[in-house]
Amino acid sequence: ELQLLESGGGVVQPGGSLRLSCAASGFTFSRYSMSWVRQAPGKGLEWVSAITGSGGSTYYADSVKGRFTISREDSSNTLYLQINSLRAEDTAIYYCAKHHYETSEGADAFDIWGQGTVVTVSS
Amino acid sequence: SYVLTQPPSVSVAPGQTARITCGGFNVGTKSLHWYQQKPGQAPVLVLYDDTGRPSGIPERFSGSNSGTLTISRVEAGDEADYYCHVWDSASDQGVFGPGTKVTVL
Repeated sequence: ELQLLESGGGVVQPGGSLRLSCAASGFTFSRYSMSWVRQAPGKGLEWVSAITGSGGSTYYADSVKGRFTISREDSSNTLYLQINSLRAEDTAIYYCAKHHYETSEGADAFDIWGQGTVVTVSS
Repeated sequence: SYVLTQPPSVSVAPGQTARITCGGFNVGTKSLHWYQQKPGQAPVLVLYDDTGRPSGIPERFSGSNSGTLTISRVEAGDEADYYCHVWDSASDQGVFGPGTKVTVL
């Protein structure tokens, strides 16, 4: 069964940092681009970042550029999101998502989603 | 940055047809994807590349190249928020629409 399991969320003070993880199983992780998508309380979906299967290319939303870093460790089938300089507006559920096509450059649909991990930024 | 628009809400009686539009500059030239999200759950892909249907998604869900998601023979279980999504190649960023809440009367 294809599965994504996020972890690492929590309550953090403004300016703090967290490292989110997403453990993948049931597919050849290294062959697929992956993304992070977040959803603030009561709001819509916001794409955050993507990384290609090779890890050679990374992409970021303007709202997180310079503060968030996406990475992957194919040997352990794990996707990461390092989030720094946290702000109140970063409070959200963070989902990791698998891209649909093998070896895509990141522009395709997200066909598998995790259940999300909650990040709360509060003093 | 690229912007997608969706109607905030659509109401439909059971057995009828719901149509949700997704607008944006030249959206017909982009590959459009649609997700269904029920309260407290992660999103689920219902259409990819305008008209593709993942396995397990009923044929009642269909799409067009002009940015419309159509749900035929609507059922109570279709009540959810629906989001459209594209990749903006000009900025190399993903973009989601604001979402449409489908209410089954």
